[in-house]
Amino acid sequence: AQSVAQPEDQVNVAEGNPLTVKCTYSVSGNPYLFWYVQYPNRGLQFLLKYITGDNLVKGSYGFEAEFNKSQTSFHLKKPSALVSDSALYFCAVRDPYSSASKIIFGSGTRLSIRP
Amino acid sequence: NAGVTQTPKFRVLKTGQSMTLLCAQDMNHEYMYWYRQDPGMGLRLIHYSVGEGTTAKGEVPDGYNVSRLKKQNFLLGLESAAPSQTSVYFCASSYVAGGPESTDTQYFGPGTRLTVL
Repeated sequence: AQSVAQPEDQVNVAEGNPLTVKCTYSVSGNPYLFWYVQYPNRGLQFLLKYITGDNLVKGSYGFEAEFNKSQTSFHLKKPSALVSDSALYFCAVRDPYSSASKIIFGSGTRLSIRP
Repeated sequence: NAGVTQTPKFRVLKTGQSMTLLCAQDMNHEYMYWYRQDPGMGLRLIHYSVGEGTTAKGEVPDGYNVSRLKKQNFLLGLESAAPSQTSVYFCASSYVAGGPESTDTQYFGPGTRLTVL
């Protein structure tokens, strides 16, 4: 069965510093991996995804994520954090050979950027 | 292009009451989903639909029913609400109908905050 874990409930970073939000996954085949962001009182917004190809994926708002097959990880990164990046971030995984288009979401990591 | 819309935005029910949440999308997406979001638990899939007239159970389907009579609409029903169903409900849709080639990015509505007393 596919699963995804976000080991940190909260990540605190000073503005201008690099940030990393961690995600590890478990899936039987080659995974499809996603990051979504949720701002207060809003639905989730797609940030980026890994399907195949280059292990470093670039997405919206300057975010990027690195797929590491040996460590089964897909950490979200940004070189220089902004206060406006403060939000709830969800990692998600899909087994491309599953019988239906079901994505499993992690429990979320709250990112807090202090000025 | 409104994307995915949900009505209502907020609702308070008493235990045992029923209600229907409406989700609509104007992107001609095949797949639609209903999730609930609870603190510390992320999003959990309630039911989903792979096309008009079809529905399927997700991870936490008990106490909910759904219908997809039209491609653009996906309804979530609570026949007899319970306090355990207090949650934020999100609808989502995606374009491609599954399969290894599908990249199925999901597009989410703004959510419905439901409180059951």
